[in-house]
Order: sequence, then structure tokens, then C-alpha cells
Amino acid sequence: AQSVTQLDSHVSVSEGTPVLLRCNYSSSYSPSLFWYVQHPNKGLQLLLKYTSAATLVKGINGFEAEFKKSETSFHLTKPSAHMSDAAEYFCVVSEPGAGNNRKLIWGLGTSLAVNP
Amino acid sequence: ETGVTQSPTHLIKTRGQQVTLRCSSQSGHNTVSWYQQALGQGPQFIFQYYREEENGRGNFPPRFSGLQFPNYSSELNVNALELDDSALYLCASSLLATQETQYFGPGTRLLVL
Repeated sequence: AQSVTQLDSHVSVSEGTPVLLRCNYSSSYSPSLFWYVQHPNKGLQLLLKYTSAATLVKGINGFEAEFKKSETSFHLTKPSAHMSDAAEYFCVVSEPGAGNNRKLIWGLGTSLAVNP
Repeated sequence: ETGVTQSPTHLIKTRGQQVTLRCSSQSGHNTVSWYQQALGQGPQFIFQYYREEENGRGNFPPRFSGLQFPNYSSELNVNALELDDSALYLCASSLLATQETQYFGPGTRLLVL
């Protein structure tokens, strides 16, 4: 079975400084990996996804993530944090489910705080 | 905005009652998945519906049931509510059951007293 571990439950950065949210996965397949963001009292929004194409994936709002198979990692980065980036971030791996579906396996989330 | 809508936005029930939550999928999407997100946790997969049939289920008891309609909208029903059922319930739609990218609605926050 696949699993995903978000290494930090909470990250705090200053506005304008880089963001690094760490994610490791375990998978017996070639995984598909995602990052979702959840702002307070809002639904989940897809930031970016990796599906075995380029290992460096660019997403929305200036975020990007690099798939490193040797390290089984898929860390999320952004060069310069903005106040509006404060939210909960989830790393997700996809695995085959029962029937013909795909099941998403979620990390526990990393809460990002951005200080002025 | 993803085009996935859910109703109601908030709901308060008491233990033992039954609740129905509704979801309208994004236009053209025939697959709907439901998730439960407890406070401070990641979403947990409840089940998925594809073309009106259940197409996979997570580790939830049978009192969690669902329906999908010909227009691909969906309902989540929970019977005999328990306090631990208090959570944000998220609906996500995708173009196909085999498609990994899911688009989420804003959720329904359920409080069981």
C-alpha cells in the first residue's frame, strides 16, 4: 500500500522568504503525486500534480515541487512567501482502488503561517 | 472555483438522527468521491460513485451510504449519527473514475451534538 508522510505539521515563514514544505512517500508503483491547498473555511484546491513526466512540476501561485525518486520525496517550494499563502497544505499520492477507480491517499497536512 | 457545489454549507444534528448531504459535480464529470475531514486531519475517503454505481469504499460503516443520480449529482446519507461524525464532508468530482485529478467543493460542516 502507498502512503505519504508530511514531515512538518507546522511551518512558519516571514513574508518574502522562501517556503519549503516536505513530503515523503512510499509506493510500489510509479506514483502520481499531488499537492492541494486548503484555505480556512474553503474547499481543497489543486496546486500541482506529478504524473511521470517532468520531475520539476510548476503549479499555481508560484509554487513548484520536485519529484526525487531516489529520495522518495516530493517537496513543495515557493521562492517568496505571500501573506495569502497562509493555509493548510496536503501532499497526496494516488493508488489503484477497488474496481477501476483511483484512490487518493492523503498526508496529515502542514499548516503554513506567513508572518508580516 | 471548481464548479463543484455542496449543500448545505453548515448543519447541526443530534445523536441518532439521520442526515443527507448533497453535491453537484462539475459539468461533464461522471465520477463523484466523498471524503470526511475531521478537525486537524487530512480527508479520509468514504466512497466513490461512477455512473450511478458505488465504485470503491473506504473504511466507513454501512450507516454511511450514498447515491448518484443520472445527472451525476450525488448524495451522502449518514444514519444513526454519532458525535464522532462531526466533521467537514467534502465532495470531489472527476472526469472519469480512472482520472486522478479531483476537483473539490467547499464542503459541508456537520456538527453532531
